[in-house]
Amino acid sequence: SQKIEQNSEALNIQEGKTATLTCNYTNYSPAYLQWYRQDPGRGPVFLLLIRENEKEKRKERLKVTFDTTLKQSLFHITASQPADSATYLCALDGETGANNLFFGTGTRLTVIP
Amino acid sequence: KAGVTQTPRYLIKTRGQQVTLSCSPISGHRSVSWYQQTPGQGLQFLFEYFSETQRNKGNFPGRFSGRQFSNSRSEMNVSTLELGDSALYLCASSSLGGGAHNEQFFGPGTRLTVL
Repeated sequence: SQKIEQNSEALNIQEGKTATLTCNYTNYSPAYLQWYRQDPGRGPVFLLLIRENEKEKRKERLKVTFDTTLKQSLFHITASQPADSATYLCALDGETGANNLFFGTGTRLTVIP
Repeated sequence: KAGVTQTPRYLIKTRGQQVTLSCSPISGHRSVSWYQQTPGQGLQFLFEYFSETQRNKGNFPGRFSGRQFSNSRSEMNVSTLELGDSALYLCASSSLGGGAHNEQFFGPGTRLTVL
């Protein structure tokens, strides 16, 4: 079955810097990969979706890359702000063609003012 | 559009009891997925319904069940509660399905505590 590793449980960075979060998966290569943000006690909120034939996707201060050779996605937040502090989750299809998401354990990002 | 709503938001039960959680998806969405979130296991998939049919089920015991009504509202039921069932239960809705090809809209969750 699929396994997802997100680089670290927690990441602290200074305000204004770029935060880079890593998502590595082990088995089959997914056709799609998503990133979510989750605040404590709340449900995840969708941020970005990237397809296997897309190398990079951007949305405002967010950028996602997808390298199917390395089986890795990188998630960048540029000019980070304290309001970006949250847990970030990457998600893939649970199995090829399955109608469910398989989530990584997440990285808790803290942006220090 | 109103977001995904879940009721109740908090629930306290004792071992052996059963519980029913409810989820109302975004209007027009036919897919509802359920997830269990715990500190140790993270987010784990329970089941997905589309137009009243269960299309996919996660690796949970038969004590966990669900259904979807014709208006797309969904319920999940857990019978014979165990301490390990304490978790945040999240439902997500989408227009086309519960997979990664679709944006999933999550509700706020129901926090279940089993004593």
